[in-house]
Amino acid sequence: QSALTQPASVSGSPGQSITISCTGSSSDVGGYSYVSWYQQHPGKAPKLMIYDVTNRPSGVSNRFSGSKSGNTASLTISGLQAEDEADYYCSSYTSSTTLDWVFGGGTKLTVL
Amino acid sequence: QVQLVQSGAEVKKPGASVKVSCKASGYTFTSYGISWVRQAPGQGLEWMGWISAYNGNTNYAQKLQGRVTMTTDTSTSTAYMELRSLRSDDTAVYYCARSLRRTTSWDYWGQGTLVTVSS
Repeated sequence: QSALTQPASVSGSPGQSITISCTGSSSDVGGYSYVSWYQQHPGKAPKLMIYDVTNRPSGVSNRFSGSKSGNTASLTISGLQAEDEADYYCSSYTSSTTLDWVFGGGTKLTVL
Repeated sequence: QVQLVQSGAEVKKPGASVKVSCKASGYTFTSYGISWVRQAPGQGLEWMGWISAYNGNTNYAQKLQGRVTMTTDTSTSTAYMELRSLRSDDTAVYYCARSLRRTTSWDYWGQGTLVTVSS
């Protein structure tokens, strides 16, 4: 069972927008601005899409955006494209004494 | 360009050890740290630990304490992750990933190394 809760799947049509939520606690998502989002295509390594809640690395499309409210972070993808179909994972730094970073269970995005 | 290139797939028996390497290039190795993240088949991501390539300081996930050791060789810009007393539930793809500090995200990842534990 993952420390952060994400929906198992979301879907949308090309051109639409979707939002993936990531719910944690005050010990992780709510307590730090160190929330990241990763995209993973089948058989590939994860790719950083959003860091520090809202920031996009160089080269990542501005169709991807992040936000946070309380203990829940969100990833929004606008103007959905076929290549956006992938698994998405959120992660957060945590104050836990047993580990530094926790992940969500992942969300499968299907572009219809 | 930044690259992290990992060693090849391994098949191990329960109780054995495995050592995975991660060779970095395209940046100053000692200016960053390396985390190891694993992914069991069909499952999500799990953080294993972090090592500073600057001073060798480490921080491991408590569930792996005593079984995992992370090291670096600055002369070859290579990070290593050794996992001992392997069990079947250690079967996973193991990734190395670069971060500036313990609290920062991983901006570059290795291609992954499949470790299969089976009798």
